[in-house]
Amino acid sequence: DAGITQSPRHKVTETGTPVTLRCHQTENHRYMYWYRQDPGHGLRLIHYSYGVKDTDKGEVSDGYSVSRSKTEDFLLTLESATSSQTSVYFCAISRGQSGQETQYFGPGTRLLVL
Amino acid sequence: AQTVTQSQPEMSVQEAETVTLSCTYDTSESDYYLFWYKQPPSRQMILVIRQEAYKQQNATENRFSVNFQKAAKSFSLKISDSQLGDAAMYFCALRLGGGKLIFGQGTELSVKP
Repeated sequence: DAGITQSPRHKVTETGTPVTLRCHQTENHRYMYWYRQDPGHGLRLIHYSYGVKDTDKGEVSDGYSVSRSKTEDFLLTLESATSSQTSVYFCAISRGQSGQETQYFGPGTRLLVL
Repeated sequence: AQTVTQSQPEMSVQEAETVTLSCTYDTSESDYYLFWYKQPPSRQMILVIRQEAYKQQNATENRFSVNFQKAAKSFSLKISDSQLGDAAMYFCALRLGGGKLIFGQGTELSVKP
């Protein structure tokens, strides 16, 4: 158990509505990540954070924004959800010695955009 | 470009037998790490094993071991004495600078009793 929770765990929304997913960690780790998982693609990095208010884009960042105002919370926002954003979203933290970290994942959020 | 390829979408093994899942990767970095993650039907991503690229010795964790061939950029996972609980999707992943992970497409392993 890496002390990571995600909320909500399931969400159904309509095209064009804003959606925010929350990742919460209890272990004060510096690095946090958001991935999406789609059939045939494995997991792909959306955004990541290396500290409070420090974020950067990943491989599939278009249509997503993130914020990190506290160490323990990393928010992923879909400003205007589209059907192509239907996916399973995973949050992760990095744990371990600098340069040797291993990522541990939250339980995932299943998002359906109708 | 950094890529990870798992060429076996599905594999099957008899309970108590051994199975090997394949993974190849490509990176221009000299210092990197490789991982295998397991994703059971619960969808939780579970770390199985990790390998440091600078180590020649293959990593082992109980029934799980890897065959790391750095020159060939190959990183296969061997599961010995397969158990029903090993049935899952398995992902190979490459860790780059900044901690970002590049994942393969996954191999779905079924275990027959």
